Amino acid sequence: EIVLTQSPATLSLSPGERATLSCRASLSIGNYLAWYQQKPGQAPRLLIYDASNRATGVPARFSGTGSGTDFTLTIGSLEPEDFAVYYCQQRTNWPPRLTFGGGTKVEIK
Amino acid sequence: QVQLQQWGAGLLKPSGTLSLVCAVHGGSFRDYFWNWIRRPPGKGLEWIGEISHGGSTNYNPSLKSRVTISVDTSKSQFSLKLNSVTAADTAVYYCARGVGRLATIHLDDWGQGTLVTVSS
Repeated sequence: EIVLTQSPATLSLSPGERATLSCRASLSIGNYLAWYQQKPGQAPRLLIYDASNRATGVPARFSGTGSGTDFTLTIGSLEPEDFAVYYCQQRTNWPPRLTFGGGTKVEIK
Repeated sequence: QVQLQQWGAGLLKPSGTLSLVCAVHGGSFRDYFWNWIRRPPGKGLEWIGEISHGGSTNYNPSLKSRVTISVDTSKSQFSLKLNSVTAADTAVYYCARGVGRLATIHLDDWGQGTLVTVSS
């Protein structure tokens, strides 16, 4: 079973600052990692897939990097609407299972 | 643009059966895996399971003994049943479309979510 560990649990920043979120996998997963944003009362929204590809309509300030076991989501300059919880996710072929990280909350400082 | 619309009972008694349906509008039902995910209050996202349009299923081992996911391709719908519920099953439940192949699968469209509360 692959475990995804996200850090930090909470990130306190001001609008305009750069946010760097980490996701570490317990085993190598190539570049098969996705990132989601969830705001209160809303469904999660896909931001990044295959580690570095932005989903349709996602602003360019969101970028994903990494491969193997270490992955990073960077928000270049925080906008007020970016304060939310962020999750990483991967899927294994065998056993077929989809797993989420524990989440990082980006809050206003 | 695909839209997922979900519905089902929001209040259950312990030992009852949770039942939710998700309808897929405006897109193909084939070539995707259709997923259920939940978020308990104060916790993170938990994957429940998935089903292909052909009916092949995969479940989270922690829930496998209590979960059934089924599909009705004629209606472009898929359903979740979770039996013997307890307070620990209280959560917002989401349906979502899985796109990609095998290990690349990610969830690109989501239903609006249904709050399910288990209480006597």
